[in-house]
Amino acid sequence: GAVVSQHPSRVICKSGTSVKIECRSLDFQATTMFWYRQFPKQSLMLMATSNEGSKATYEQGVEKDKFLINHASLTLSTLTVTSAHPEDSSFYICSARDKRGVYEQYFGPGTRLTVT
Amino acid sequence: GIQVEQSPPDLILQEGANSTLRCNFSDSVNNLQWFHQNPWGQLINLFYIPSGTKQNGRLSATTVATERYSLLYISSSQTTDSGVYFCAVFRNSGYALNFGKGTSLLVTP
Repeated sequence: GAVVSQHPSRVICKSGTSVKIECRSLDFQATTMFWYRQFPKQSLMLMATSNEGSKATYEQGVEKDKFLINHASLTLSTLTVTSAHPEDSSFYICSARDKRGVYEQYFGPGTRLTVT
Repeated sequence: GIQVEQSPPDLILQEGANSTLRCNFSDSVNNLQWFHQNPWGQLINLFYIPSGTKQNGRLSATTVATERYSLLYISSSQTTDSGVYFCAVFRNSGYALNFGKGTSLLVTP
């Protein structure tokens, strides 16, 4: 149980284009999902928190107009990187917290974005 | 926010050896998780352990909440244990996690 999927696993796009990444909780309902970013050989940094049916809360320094987050249902959150630039290249990881209120979080396998 | 420090930053072991990874945190916590990030980037939940001791096969973890540290023990290490081990705690608000910088473990044959 407690499986989170992400799609795509890796994507290459050209500068100026937009990319959408999906995060799904497969066997539980997620009240809250989180989006993290990880640069090579570094730790995970929180980008935003998304709650089903409400606007995402972004961390300081994260551009909300560039990283659009939609949490449309209790099992799906999407991150859209708009007008991507090479510096947006990174590993993006989502996590989900079970609606039943347990504290443990479960992570997706990540999406590697390369912007050329 | 709560600061999380992990040590050592890097560790090289020969297969079969034991090791202890440490996580210090700057304030009281009600959630602490240990993760293993494999070479493909997947974070695998090892332990949810805000206090006490848990064991799962060759791995065990102990959190002493009053002294603000947690330890992850790996016994009889195997090459498949290689990767980065992260400790993470709840941030002050909400349920997002603050991660330490990780311990990069390489187990050689």
